[in-house]
Amino acid sequence: GENVEQHPSTLSVQEGDSAVIKCTYSDSASNYFPWYKQELGKRPQLIIDIRSNVGEKKDQRIAVTLNKTAKHFSLHITETQPEDSAVYFCAAPPRRGSNYKLTFGKGTLLTVNP
Amino acid sequence: NAGVTQTPKFQVLKTGQSMTLQCAQDMNHNSMYWYRQDPGMGLRLIYYSASEGTTDKGEVPNGYNVSRLNKREFSLRLESAAPSQTSVYFCASSDTGGPYEQYFGPGTRLTVT
Repeated sequence: GENVEQHPSTLSVQEGDSAVIKCTYSDSASNYFPWYKQELGKRPQLIIDIRSNVGEKKDQRIAVTLNKTAKHFSLHITETQPEDSAVYFCAAPPRRGSNYKLTFGKGTLLTVNP
Repeated sequence: NAGVTQTPKFQVLKTGQSMTLQCAQDMNHNSMYWYRQDPGMGLRLIYYSASEGTTDKGEVPNGYNVSRLNKREFSLRLESAAPSQTSVYFCASSDTGGPYEQYFGPGTRLTVT
């Protein structure tokens, strides 16, 4: 099955700084890579995803980059704000054709200090 | 639309007791999932159902059973609860054919003493 490694496990930044979270995956056939955000006491929610046919995708202050050769993808948050404080999870499907079934990383606790 | 709903929100069991966690979605999704979330362990898949009438084991199925009652409902049963099953349980749903966004329920916090 797919193995997804996520780093760092915790990240503390000052408001306005950038934050980068990186994930590596093991199955070279994986072709869908989502990121979920979970605020304290809440349910996880999708914030951005990328398919393997593009190298980068942006949505306002967040972006995801994908390096298929190295089998890693990263979440970039610019101009961080206190409301960005949450746990972020990356995920990948175990094989092509099963994008609906995901393996999640262990999560990164991001703290944005005012 | 209510999205994905779960009951109960909280539950305390004694070791050996049984219970069923209920999940329902109103988005006409084919796929449904049960995850457990433990500190530092992320979201681990217990069981999933790619379509009505099918269920498959995920990463941590031992001690659990599931039933896909119909397209809307997917239940998780603990036959004989153990302290190691103390966790937060999330149900989720998605479209099998895409888009693949998983919509999560609010979670059930289960404590087994």
